[in-house]
Amino acid sequence: GAVVSQHPSWVICKSGTSVKIECRSLDFQATTMFWYRQFPKQSLMLMATSNEGSKATYEQGVEKDKFLINHASLTLSTLTVTSAHPEDSSFYICSASFPVSDSSPLHFGNGTRLTVT
Amino acid sequence: GQNIDQPTEMTATEGAIVQINCTYQTSGFNGLFWYQQHAGEAPTFLSYNVLDGLEEKGRFSSFLSRSKGYSYLLLKELQMKDSASYLCVQMDSNYQLIWGAGTKLIIKP
Repeated sequence: GAVVSQHPSWVICKSGTSVKIECRSLDFQATTMFWYRQFPKQSLMLMATSNEGSKATYEQGVEKDKFLINHASLTLSTLTVTSAHPEDSSFYICSASFPVSDSSPLHFGNGTRLTVT
Repeated sequence: GQNIDQPTEMTATEGAIVQINCTYQTSGFNGLFWYQQHAGEAPTFLSYNVLDGLEEKGRFSSFLSRSKGYSYLLLKELQMKDSASYLCVQMDSNYQLIWGAGTKLIIKP
């Protein structure tokens, strides 16, 4: 069964508004979660590593003020796309390792398809 | 650099066997993953190799040669539902993941 739950599955918003995406680990505590973005026909690109109780680590080129990540509990990380623009339209996916260890496979949420009009 | 090389696209026939190859940089290695991703969906885990050799899981098998920086995913008895992208992913010495661009596998009847 699914070990990572992501919500919403899809969202359409107007340019300039903010959108929050939730990622929950089910039945396990995820001290670290990962946020990816995937444009059509391209590979996953890591945006940031979300660390429970501390600031997220962003990849080069990812604006931390635009993509706000909060990992306030061991089972929930949120990604907020602030002041969204059409170029932010993409497929956003979160993941966590389970079992929790460095070399465990990632389990992904179902992803959120964001369309900014 | 950190390069994962895998073919962009492959075509195979239903019921046949297909092998998807992947090469990676040998410096800094902590394992090699294969994921399957259907269009519009999140990836799903298929296999993990950290030692040389073949790991078999039902219709899917994965092979690793660390000295050659080479892995392959072997799919047997292909079914139409196997049409998807297959992602080769290296875990480096810092346990960071390096993603290949994926191989789009097209299955024909």
